[in-house]
Amino acid sequence: AQSVTQLGSHVSVSEGALVLLRCNYSSSVPPYLFWYVQYPNQGLQLLLKYTTGATLVKGINGFEAEFKKSETSFHLTKPSAHMSDAAEYFCAVSNTGNQFYFGTGTSLTVIP
Amino acid sequence: ETGVTQSPTHLIKTRGQQVTLRCSSQSGHNTVSWYQQALGQGPQFIFQYYREEENGRGNFPPRFSGLQFPNYSSELNVNALELDDSALYLCASPELPATTGYTFGSGTRLTVV
Repeated sequence: AQSVTQLGSHVSVSEGALVLLRCNYSSSVPPYLFWYVQYPNQGLQLLLKYTTGATLVKGINGFEAEFKKSETSFHLTKPSAHMSDAAEYFCAVSNTGNQFYFGTGTSLTVIP
Repeated sequence: ETGVTQSPTHLIKTRGQQVTLRCSSQSGHNTVSWYQQALGQGPQFIFQYYREEENGRGNFPPRFSGLQFPNYSSELNVNALELDDSALYLCASPELPATTGYTFGSGTRLTVV
């Protein structure tokens, strides 16, 4: 069975501050892990993904995430928040790269 | 060219009615997935089609059905609509190569009244 837990349904940061969105996963096999972003009234946009290889993954818009197998975590970070980062963020896990299991999402607010 | 297009963008239906949602992928990949995203929730997997056959299904009743066509378009059909079917329905298709990830459409917002 696979599942994802996103800690914190709402996160607020000041513009220019570090963004940290937490994701823990459960998977019986080595997982594929993803972060997606969703802006209001839009679909999902892929930020980054981990499949194999390097555990620190860099994505678009300055985001990165680190796969830590020992902690079953895949937290998303960005050194300096921008107003345009305000959105809903979803962590997802898959063991095939096809069917995704999504977390319940974290709403990021950036305070000017 | 990549991208997933869904239609319509918004839809209002009455409980008990039937609805058809459409999806078109420009990726040229023969796989399409459908997800339901209830308000305030993450997307939930409904089913996946590969080469016009269903090859994976989530925890959704049979009144949720689908079709995939040779031109990479797809339909999601929902019969006997219930109020809880109100949600954003997302279609997704892999990029080429598939290891690049899945592209999601902007979704169809279905409201059942």
